[in-house]
Amino acid sequence: DGGITQSPKYLFRKEGQNVTLSCEQNLNHDAMYWYRQDPGQGLRLIYYSQIVNDFQKGDIAEGYSVSREKKESFPLTVTSAQKNPTAFYLCASKRSKTNEKLFFGSGTQLSVL
Amino acid sequence: KNQVEQSPQSLIILEGKNCTLQCNYTVSPFSNLRWYKQDTGRGPVSLTIMTFSENTKSNGRYTATLDADTKQSSLHITASQLSDSASYICVVNTDKLIFGTGTRLQVFP
Repeated sequence: DGGITQSPKYLFRKEGQNVTLSCEQNLNHDAMYWYRQDPGQGLRLIYYSQIVNDFQKGDIAEGYSVSREKKESFPLTVTSAQKNPTAFYLCASKRSKTNEKLFFGSGTQLSVL
Repeated sequence: KNQVEQSPQSLIILEGKNCTLQCNYTVSPFSNLRWYKQDTGRGPVSLTIMTFSENTKSNGRYTATLDADTKQSSLHITASQLSDSASYICVVNTDKLIFGTGTRLQVFP
């Protein structure tokens, strides 16, 4: 089954804690993305990566970090610097930066305890 | 103000009825406009894509239209089904993807 897998489905963070959201794809896509979705707002881009070992900040990168050590994996760390982390996080990928159809994972709901 | 505005924010219809969702955008130029369907707690899935030169595109009971002069797109759903209950998101592709805020559709039996 080809696709994008996000885990966990639900995640709780304590104050001052860093948490990492997993995103794995077996579509052989070059480009991967992290979006944040809040009620009543459009998806906002956190970070993206167009090739292994390279990534760029999106519109709301503060308080987040990523790595792209393998083509199929693009984990997102929500650091303690992110003061309002409660949101639905979506990982997406596409074949290349010029091919605009995004394939999304099922999302991770992050909540603060 | 969002560059991609969708209306209504939410909509309730009865099963079997038709409905139309609206997307107004201010960005220009753009290469294409795409509609996504997002089930609750899931990631969005692409329904249709139109370039700026296309007027209409269908995918089963879903028909999208685009008027580049008025900068409006609509998504028409025919003979709605319970499984159509979801959020529908309009996305405009310029040098980056700009997402609308979505319309939450609920179909009741």
